Amino acid sequence: DAGVTQSPTHLIKTRGQQVTLRCSPKSGHDTVSWYQQALGQGPQFIFQYYEEEERQRGNFPDRFSGHQFPNYSSELNVNALLLGDSALYLCASSWDRGGETQYFGPGTRLLVL
Amino acid sequence: SQQGEEDPQALSIQEGENATMNCSYKTSINNLQWYRQNSGRGLVHLILIRSNEREKHSGRLRVTLDTSKKSSSLLITASRAADTASYFCATSQNTGRRALTFGSGTRLQVQP
Repeated sequence: DAGVTQSPTHLIKTRGQQVTLRCSPKSGHDTVSWYQQALGQGPQFIFQYYEEEERQRGNFPDRFSGHQFPNYSSELNVNALLLGDSALYLCASSWDRGGETQYFGPGTRLLVL
Repeated sequence: SQQGEEDPQALSIQEGENATMNCSYKTSINNLQWYRQNSGRGLVHLILIRSNEREKHSGRLRVTLDTSKKSSSLLITASRAADTASYFCATSQNTGRRALTFGSGTRLQVQP
């Protein structure tokens, strides 16, 4: 049983560019959450997708957007990248009906130059 | 913003010793979870304790929760070098929302 997978593992972009990160949830999970983790900090909640809609959003600007597909996989898009967007982006999946526990992927490390 | 704070920020112990980490949070919660993170990789779920529970055990882990003080502690007994990692507490609020709010973490170093 595959766990949560994310791609790519590492990414380097320049300021002003756009980036798309991808996540496949754990088998049987229908909810995907995204978190941003700056170096030395705890993860911060970006948003959560369920039934292909954004169900909850953290304190992040509109430059951060997402999508969930019918197979429950998800994308995180960040436009107009800033140096401060450099971080580890973590995807977590859960099962809406049972799932208080979120299972995390290995993350995508984004560096903005 | 972070929901809570872990204490201490860093902890160094010898193998075989016990490690205790504390977490404080600010708002009412539905549950509190502890996660482990190795070297900036993905988080691994360790244990979940609900707001109506006071103590929970899982293997070498013991978690306590004091909702009146808005605090929790994680005890790792008989630590091993493989326990070296960052440990985070995360809370889920009782509004039915599922977003986790993480603390700033405790970096544990277990010396062999």
